[in-house]
Amino acid sequence: QVQLQESGPGLVKPSQTLSLTCTVSGGSISSDIYHWSWIRQPAGKGLEWIGRIYSSGSTIYNPSLKSRVTISVDTSKNQFSLKLSSVTAADTAVYYCARGAAFDPWGQGTLVTVSS
Amino acid sequence: DIQMTQSPSSLSASVGDRVTITCRASQGISNYLAWFQQKPGKAPKSLIYAASSLQSGVPSKFSGSGSGTDFTLTISSLQPEDFATYYCQQYNSYPPTFGGGTKVEIK
Repeated sequence: QVQLQESGPGLVKPSQTLSLTCTVSGGSISSDIYHWSWIRQPAGKGLEWIGRIYSSGSTIYNPSLKSRVTISVDTSKNQFSLKLSSVTAADTAVYYCARGAAFDPWGQGTLVTVSS
Repeated sequence: DIQMTQSPSSLSASVGDRVTITCRASQGISNYLAWFQQKPGKAPKSLIYAASSLQSGVPSKFSGSGSGTDFTLTISSLQPEDFATYYCQQYNSYPPTFGGGTKVEIK
């Protein structure tokens, strides 16, 4: 079955760029049946969708983050990536990747802390 | 954005109880609704999609219903492993949005 795994630095300095990668295993990211999303969750709070990408490279971002977000895909590595620029403490959260419109499955999540 | 409102925000229940959680959308979303279960320190797990379709491997004690703006998640007989936080999510329009969550605790 398909599994997703997030990876990337756990600590990012304010004003810098957060970069994460989601590796897909057990299935191909190139199927256009699904798109691939990033979602985040600050500690003790709810879930916020960041954006999504198809294997074609087509993206849609949450308007609340659009000016700072870039999502890209590398089909040769079966991976997609998130870049979030100009981070502040408010971007500290667990970041998840997930498949499809109804978000199934999810990666295990990775905590990113924004601090100097 | 479509606002998703869950109620209650928390509830206390006993093992064996029937539990119902409600989710209301600020505008009609047809049946483009999913439910998730999240345990502390873990990623959300998909339970239901398309308002009432059970994900593969999810026990039949979970059921979903509704269409338009009003939806429910029902757990027919609460078991110890069901104590968790539950979220609804609409995927009718961008951006996808989540409810605030319902924490199910042991009475």
